[in-house]
Amino acid sequence: RKEVEQDPGPFNVPEGATVAFNCTYSNSASQSFFWYRQDCRKEPKLLMSVYSSGNEDGRFTAQLNRASQYISLLIRDSKLSDSATYLCVVNGWTGSQGNLIFGKGTKLSVKP
Amino acid sequence: DAGVTQSPTHLIKTRGQQVTLRCSPKSGHDTVSWYQQALGQGPQFIFQYYEEEERQRGNFPDRFSGHQFPNYSSELNVNALLLGDSALYLCASSLDRDTGELFFGEGSRLTVL
Repeated sequence: RKEVEQDPGPFNVPEGATVAFNCTYSNSASQSFFWYRQDCRKEPKLLMSVYSSGNEDGRFTAQLNRASQYISLLIRDSKLSDSATYLCVVNGWTGSQGNLIFGKGTKLSVKP
Repeated sequence: DAGVTQSPTHLIKTRGQQVTLRCSPKSGHDTVSWYQQALGQGPQFIFQYYEEEERQRGNFPDRFSGHQFPNYSSELNVNALLLGDSALYLCASSLDRDTGELFFGEGSRLTVL
């Protein structure tokens, strides 16, 4: 089993749609969870951290289920500018943030 | 405030050659991590440097080595290049004590022919 697995994309959705990405991780000792966004031929950038209680940032909602080792990202009212690859990320060991385990990413394409 | 800067941005090498990639962390950050991102894949952790020492290493062979300088900048060296080493090499910086965001540079795109 891969350390971080994501939905295989791509997701092609119209503007205004709601889209959900799922991710599972294998290391039950993982402490920190994130969603990063990567635009085409650009570097990854932090979209949001994921907390056990769930957290929301505008149109974006992240959820964590530790028992199932499952992370999700919900994007409401999709915009053209949301088109990117979304990377599910888990901290590989307790400590600093350097050793992050990335999923392969799910590509989202929002169409007019 | 400069973010993470990497050089060179693009380079082409042939099999068997050696390459050195450079990274300057974001101002105030003392920890540098290197990642390899092959086409269509997520970034893979190579190693992390803190206080001029390699603190953690991913599943990469000894051909991959690095260094961190007193000013926190870092180098990634790859010896005996293979075709499979072709990838985007990303440097990321963070504060050791910070459990928040990891800041990435734009990367160095290496092509091995």
